[in-house]
Amino acid sequence: QLQLQESGPGLVKPSETLSLTCTVSGGSISSSSHFWGWIRQPPGMALEWIGSIHYSGSTYYNPSLRSRVTISVDTSKSQFSVKLTYVTAADTAVYYCAGSRWSPWNWFDPWGQGTLVTVSS
Amino acid sequence: DIQMTQSPSSLSASVGDRITISCRASQGISNFLAWYQQKPGRVPKLLIYAASTLQSGVPSRFSGSGSGTDFTLTISTLQPEDVATYYCQKYNSAPLTFGLGTKVEIK
Repeated sequence: QLQLQESGPGLVKPSETLSLTCTVSGGSISSSSHFWGWIRQPPGMALEWIGSIHYSGSTYYNPSLRSRVTISVDTSKSQFSVKLTYVTAADTAVYYCAGSRWSPWNWFDPWGQGTLVTVSS
Repeated sequence: DIQMTQSPSSLSASVGDRITISCRASQGISNFLAWYQQKPGRVPKLLIYAASTLQSGVPSRFSGSGSGTDFTLTISTLQPEDVATYYCQKYNSAPLTFGLGTKVEIK
């Protein structure tokens, strides 16, 4: 059974770079039929798709965040990562990693447990 | 970008009631719509995809319908464990977009 787990700092200073990693287990990150995504949820607010990646390295970003986001994959470690530059308090959120099948334009299942990242000095 | 509008934003109903949640797309998205349940402090859980296909393991009291721009999530007999916020998500094209959610409470 596919499982995902986020890791990374819970506190980031304003204007710095947020970096998170998702470790995939119970299946292959190099599956040609899987895409791997990042979704965030500010406290008390709705979900926002950040972007997705395929093991081949193809990336797909939300235009609203494209200028600040980079998603990468490390198949040797069965991990994919997200970097978000020049963060502000508005980037404070629970960050989820999740998987989707067959297309980057699909529903997400499964999800990681989520990790809260707070942007504060 | 296509906007997803959910209504109502919240509702309160009694155990055993039938409830419906609406999700409207600003442009047609065929049946490229999913529904998620997020219980307080928990991870979103996929309930329905392709507008009406129930994810494996999801109770049959949940159902989805619609196509084009108007979609509905129905809980036929509300249970206490259904207290949660429900989100729709469109996935016909980029960007993937979620609705703002509908919070369901028990009277």
